[in-house]
Amino acid sequence: GENVEQHPSTLSVQEGDSAVIKCTYSDSASNYFPWYKQELGKRPQLIIDIRSNVGEKKDQRIAVTLNKTAKHFSLHITETQPEDSAVYFCAAAWWDAGNMLTFGGGTRLMVKP
Amino acid sequence: DGGITQSPKYLFRKEGQNVTLSCEQNLNHDAMYWYRQDPGQGLRLIYYSQIVNDFQKGDIAEGYSVSREKKESFPLTVTSAQKNPTAFYLCASSSTSGDNEQFFGPGTRLTVL
Repeated sequence: GENVEQHPSTLSVQEGDSAVIKCTYSDSASNYFPWYKQELGKRPQLIIDIRSNVGEKKDQRIAVTLNKTAKHFSLHITETQPEDSAVYFCAAAWWDAGNMLTFGGGTRLMVKP
Repeated sequence: DGGITQSPKYLFRKEGQNVTLSCEQNLNHDAMYWYRQDPGQGLRLIYYSQIVNDFQKGDIAEGYSVSREKKESFPLTVTSAQKNPTAFYLCASSSTSGDNEQFFGPGTRLTVL
């Protein structure tokens, strides 16, 4: 089955700096890669996703890059703000297999004002 | 925060008791999922269902059971066979065509006394 590794497990940055979280996956058939943000005690919420037919996707201060050859994808947050502090999860799925997401272990991002 | 709901928010169980966690969605989604989240860890799939009256085991199904008698509902029973059930339980749903996004419920925090 799919295995998703996520690094780092914790990340502390100064407000205004950039943050990068990296994930690797094992199943070359995976073609859907979402990122979820979970604030303390709340439900995970999708912040951005990418499909295997593109290499990069941006949404304001958030971007995701995908390298299918190397089987890794990354989340980039620019101009970080204190409200970006949360746990971020990456996931991978083989869309045609019915959307069974395999999640990474999560990254706790702390943005210091 | 409508769309997918879980109840109760907090649940306390004595050892040896079965408890049932509720999950309801009004998003007309065919697929529903149950995840377990332990402190500092990612989301692990317990059970999933892609259609009414059908469900499949996930990675950690032992000690759990589910039913899917209605499209809107996917209750999870934590049985006494689950040796370490204290965790945060998240239900999710998604369409099985087009958009892959999984929508999560607010979660149920189960504590075994």
